[in-house]
Amino acid sequence: QKEVEQNSGPLSVPEGAIASLNCTYSDRGSQSFFWYRQYSGKSPELIMFIYSNGDKEDGRFTAQLNKASQYVSLLIRDSQPSDSATYLCAVNPSTDSWGKLQFGAGTQVVVTP
Amino acid sequence: DAGVTQSPTHLIKTRGQQVTLRCSPKSGHDTVSWYQQALGQGPQFIFQYYEEEERQRGNFPDRFSGHQFPNYSSELNVNALLLGDSALYLCASRRYATLARETQYFGPGTRLLVL
Repeated sequence: QKEVEQNSGPLSVPEGAIASLNCTYSDRGSQSFFWYRQYSGKSPELIMFIYSNGDKEDGRFTAQLNKASQYVSLLIRDSQPSDSATYLCAVNPSTDSWGKLQFGAGTQVVVTP
Repeated sequence: DAGVTQSPTHLIKTRGQQVTLRCSPKSGHDTVSWYQQALGQGPQFIFQYYEEEERQRGNFPDRFSGHQFPNYSSELNVNALLLGDSALYLCASRRYATLARETQYFGPGTRLLVL
């Protein structure tokens, strides 16, 4: 079992619709969860982080965390063509105190006009 | 405020050669991590440096080594290059005094191609 799992996609989303991305993790003690956006050929760019169960909203993005189910998700509302990218879920494992991140393989999102 | 910088941006090497990649952390940051991202995969943690010492290491062979300098900049060295070392190498920095869960900032990466 991989430590962080994501659907690889591609996830095709009509412009203006909601994109829903899912991520599961194996380390039950993990405390910090991050979503990064990565355009082709570029480095990851932080979109959001979440530490507590529930929802966290930032503009068009909402992160949802359910530690009991070991599940974190990202919603992108009013999707735009510029949102077309690979979205990486990252987890800071419970055994780490130095900020090490474990990444999923990413979900490719394609927003169609 | 300068972000994380890396050099070179691209590099082509042949099998068996050695390579050195460089990273300057974001201003005010003192902890540097290195990640390897193969095509179609998420970044994989290589190692992390703080106070010029390797603090933790991922599942990478000893061919991968690093160094941190007093000005917090860092180098990643890879010896005896293999075709499978072809990847995007990412440097990330953070400030040690912040909580471990605080976000890290990634540099633009170095694209290494081994032929």
